[in-house]
Amino acid sequence: DGGITQSPKYLFRKEGQNVTLSCEQNLNHDAMYWYRQDPGQGLRLIYYSQIVNDFQKGDIAEGYSVSREKKESFPLTVTSAQKNPTAFYLCASSARQGFYTEAFFGQGTRLTVV
Amino acid sequence: GQQVMQIPQYQHVQEGEDFTTYCNSSTTLSNIQWYKQRPGGHPVFLIQLVKSGEVKKQKRLTFQFGEAKKNSSLHITATQTTDVGTYFCRPSLDRGSTLGRLYFGRGTQLTVWP
Repeated sequence: DGGITQSPKYLFRKEGQNVTLSCEQNLNHDAMYWYRQDPGQGLRLIYYSQIVNDFQKGDIAEGYSVSREKKESFPLTVTSAQKNPTAFYLCASSARQGFYTEAFFGQGTRLTVV
Repeated sequence: GQQVMQIPQYQHVQEGEDFTTYCNSSTTLSNIQWYKQRPGGHPVFLIQLVKSGEVKKQKRLTFQFGEAKKNSSLHITATQTTDVGTYFCRPSLDRGSTLGRLYFGRGTQLTVWP
C-alpha cells in the first residue's frame, strides 16, 4: 500500500541530546514537509523540500535540521539547540507539480523531552 | 507565515447543532483544500475547491468557495460525535507549484457534546 510512514510514534529524549525522526514515503512524491503541532495549535512549518538534495527553512527552523538524500526519505533532527522540543511532529508529502496535489500525512511522532 | 485567517479557533456544540468554520484570505486564492484531524490523529484530506462560487457536499458537510476566491467555509449540518476534531483549510496561491501550498489555516477545534 502506498503511504507515508513516520517512526517512532512516541519518542523520549533527555535534555541536551539530538534525536532524529524518520519519515518515509512510497508515493513517488517530490515534495515533503515537516510540521510541528503543539496542543490546541495549528501546523507550523519547520522545513520543506521540493526535490532531492534541496530543502528550505520554514517559519520555525531554528534548532532543527533535515536532509533529503533520497526521494523517499526526509528525516528531521531535533537538536539540543531547540529550546522547547516537546511537541507532535507531522511529516507530509505531495506531488510537486500539478493542480490537484493533496498532502498526505504520516501518523506523527510525539516527542517528549524528559 | 499564515496566508489565511481561520475562525473560530474553538467551537463547542451540542449534538444535532450545526457548525461552520471560515477561512478568509486577503489575497485571491487559486484553490483551497480542507482537512480533518481527529484527536490524536493526523490531518486527512477532505476536499478541494477550485472555482469561484463553488459549492460541494459530502453527506452532512457543505464546502463553499467565495465568488472572489478569498473566502471559504465548511458547514456541518446536525453534528454528530464522530465530527469531533480539528478542521484545517489549506490555501493555494499558485496552481502549479508546491510553493503556494506550504501553509495551513490555524484550524478550528470542534467539540460535540452528546
